[in-house]
This record gives sequence, C-alpha cells and structure tokens, in this order.
Amino acid sequence: AQSVTQLDSQVPVFEEAPVELRCNYSSSVSVYLFWYVQYPNQGLQLLLKYLSGSTLVKGINGFEAEFNKSQTSFHLRKPSVHISDTAEYFCAVSDLTGSARQLTFGSGTQLTVLP
Amino acid sequence: DAEITQSPRHKITETGRQVTLACHQTWNHNNMFWYRQDLGHGLRLIHYSYGVHDTNKGEVSDGYSVSRSNTEDLPLTLESAASSQTSVYFCASSEAGWGGETQYFGPGTRLLVL
Repeated sequence: AQSVTQLDSQVPVFEEAPVELRCNYSSSVSVYLFWYVQYPNQGLQLLLKYLSGSTLVKGINGFEAEFNKSQTSFHLRKPSVHISDTAEYFCAVSDLTGSARQLTFGSGTQLTVLP
Repeated sequence: DAEITQSPRHKITETGRQVTLACHQTWNHNNMFWYRQDLGHGLRLIHYSYGVHDTNKGEVSDGYSVSRSNTEDLPLTLESAASSQTSVYFCASSEAGWGGETQYFGPGTRLLVL
C-alpha cells in the first residue's frame, strides 16, 4: 500500500520570498508523483507531475519539484511567491500496479502568502 | 471547452434521507472518480469507474454507491445519509491509460447532513 505525508499543514511566507512544501511518500514499487493546487472554493488542478526521466520537474505558475528516490521525497518549490499563490497544495502518488490509475493524496499544506 | 460539472453545489439534508450528487463530464474520459475532502485527511477515494458499467470501491465506500450507464455521468448516492457524511465531495475524470494521467476535478459539492 502507498501513503503520502505532507510534513507541514500550514506554511506562512512573505510575498517575494522563496517557499518549499515538503512531501514524502512510501511505496514498495515505483511511483508516479503529482502536485495539485486548490484555490478557495474551487476544485483541484494539476501543478506538475513526475512520471520518469529528469528528476527536476517544472510546472505552471513558476513552481518546480524534485523527485528524490533515495529519500522518497517530492518537495515543491518556488523561488519567489505572490499573493495569488495563496492556496492549499496536495501531494499525490500512484504506483505502478494494477491500481495505478488511482491516486493517494496527502492531507494538504495551506500556503498563505503575506504582504 | 470540455469541462466537469457537479450539482448541486450545496446541499442540506437530514439523517436517513437518500441523497444523489451528480457529476457530468464532457472530456469523453473513460475514468471517473469520487472523493470526499475532510480537514486533516486530504482527499479520500470513495468509488471509481474505468468505463461504462464498471464500478469499484475505494478507501471509504461504506454508505455510498455509484452506477455508470454512460461515459459522461457518474452519480454518487448516499443510501441513508449520516452526519459523518457531512463533507465536501469532488468528482474527477481522466483518460484511460497506464497511471500517469492527469485527473480533472469538478468544483465540488458541499453537503451538510443534520
């Protein structure tokens, strides 16, 4: 069985500062990894995903994430945040088994960007 | 543009009543999913479908059912609503494939069971 741990439930940061949202996963097989964002009162939308190849993945809105297999991590980073980045961020994993099309989500990290 | 819609957006019901939440997608996706979102739990999978007439139980399926009679719709039914089912419900869809597909989410239905 797979699981996802988002280490911080809330991350406050000042505008134009860098941010890192941490995600660790556990799985006995190879995985696909995703970050989704949820703006207030909306559904989730994909930020980026790692399927294979380069471990540094670039997504929308200037976000990027690095897959680290040895540390089973997939941390999300942005070098300079904006007020509009305030949202909840979810890390998710699917493993390469018969149920590979299902996602397991972490509990989410609320990013609040302060002026 | 293709989209995924949910109705109603808000619902208040009483314990013991049957409730059906609608999900409709125009992506022509084979895969459809229902999740519930609760504080501290993220999203948890309720039921999913990989095609017409296919349905499967997810992590938290007790008290819920789904049926898939066409590609576009996957309604979620709460057979006898309980206060523990107060939550925000999200429907999602994705293409058929090998597991790396993006899921596209609806706007959610906020359900309150009194």
